[in-house]
Amino acid sequence: QSDLTQPASVSGSPGQSITISCTGTNTDVGGYTYVAWYQQHPGKAPKLIISDVSSRPSGISDRFSGSNSGNTASLTISGLQAEDEADYYCSSYTNTDVVVFGGGTKLTVL
Amino acid sequence: QVQLQESGPGLVKPSQTLSLTCTVSGDSISSGGCYWSWIRQHPGGGLEWIGYIYHSGSTYFNPSLKSRVSISIDTSKSQFSLRVTSMTAADTALYYCARVTAAEQFVSHWGQGTPVTVSS
Repeated sequence: QSDLTQPASVSGSPGQSITISCTGTNTDVGGYTYVAWYQQHPGKAPKLIISDVSSRPSGISDRFSGSNSGNTASLTISGLQAEDEADYYCSSYTNTDVVVFGGGTKLTVL
Repeated sequence: QVQLQESGPGLVKPSQTLSLTCTVSGDSISSGGCYWSWIRQHPGGGLEWIGYIYHSGSTYFNPSLKSRVSISIDTSKSQFSLRVTSMTAADTALYYCARVTAAEQFVSHWGQGTPVTVSS
């Protein structure tokens, strides 16, 4: 069982936008801006796509955006492309000096 | 660029201790500003944060694993290591070493991962 709750799967058609939620508590997502999102393609290590709730590392498309509201963080992918099909994980720092991950969301591009 | 490479046995017997080492290149393991972390992924499953170590030796662990896990660092070899005692089938996973930024607590660099199977 993961500490942060994500939907198991989401889907969308090319060109559409989708949003993946990541729900925690006020001791993690709601208490810190240290929320990150990772993209993982099969057989590959995860790749950072969002840090600090909404910051995009260099080289990450601006189609990826992050936000948070209360105890829920969100990742939005706009203009869906086939290459976006992957697993997505959120993470957050917590008030016990540890990091927790979400259970992951499988994105299917229809 | 920063690179991390895991090494260790791919097969461990139940009740034995797992030892993995991560070798860091392209960055000073002695510098501040980051933690050196272990993360695992069960087959077909999600990511599980195991713990991390600062260059000073301070460690932080997932509470669910804390009683069985230790992490050490050898700055002279630019390596950090994971030990997990009393291994069971539930510990079968792909084990990643990673670099975590100290300030923002995100993984900036991942190793390629090393698979560990617990079986007699």
